[in-house]
Amino acid sequence: EIVLTQSPGTLSLSPGERATLSCRASQSVSSNYLAWYQQKPGQAPRLLISDASSRATGIPDRFSGSGSGTGFTLTISRLEPEDFAVYYCQQYGSSPGTFGQGTKVEIK
Amino acid sequence: QLQLQESGPGLVKPSETLSLTCTVSGASISSSNYYWGWIRQPPGKGLEWIGSIYSRGSTSHNPSLTSRVTISVDTSKNQFSLKLSSVTAADTAVYYCARPDLEWRRGAFDIWGQGAMVTVSS
Repeated sequence: EIVLTQSPGTLSLSPGERATLSCRASQSVSSNYLAWYQQKPGQAPRLLISDASSRATGIPDRFSGSGSGTGFTLTISRLEPEDFAVYYCQQYGSSPGTFGQGTKVEIK
Repeated sequence: QLQLQESGPGLVKPSETLSLTCTVSGASISSSNYYWGWIRQPPGKGLEWIGSIYSRGSTSHNPSLTSRVTISVDTSKNQFSLKLSSVTAADTAVYYCARPDLEWRRGAFDIWGQGAMVTVSS
């Protein structure tokens, strides 16, 4: 099973700042099948990025994903008020698909 | 517009079987090549993939749950279901059904149900 470790656990930033979230895998993610989700309290997760760098339908271009192999990054170029949430990465290149433990982006 | 809706008991007794159904509307399960998934989230914790079922019936499960999980599909009702046996308090969670963004893969879920909270308690 591939273990995904997200860092930092919490990111305290102000609106307009840049957010950089990391997801490290315990072994290489096949075909870079790595997704990023955003989750707000009481809501289902929302897919932001698939295949490490492809934005999902309707996702603003301030969200971008990068990386390959065992290291992946989600970047939010300029934080909007609605971006403060918990973010999860997920690998689906090998079974079982696994999620990271999450990074909370909070308002500073 | 594709929508998923979980349904089932919100309270299950320890050692009994948790049963949930996901009803798909806006598309036919049988006319596509998607792996329909179940994911859960204990209160205040992260996400865990439970398993997925292909529209033709083949399944894959999280090895940590394999011995207790059954996932099935009923194409006549456009539904797929989850059964988790011998539940304990550790199975208390919000259970989501979801569909990946593309056919033939088991992740990158872009359509989610609203979630069903299931509490295991006597």
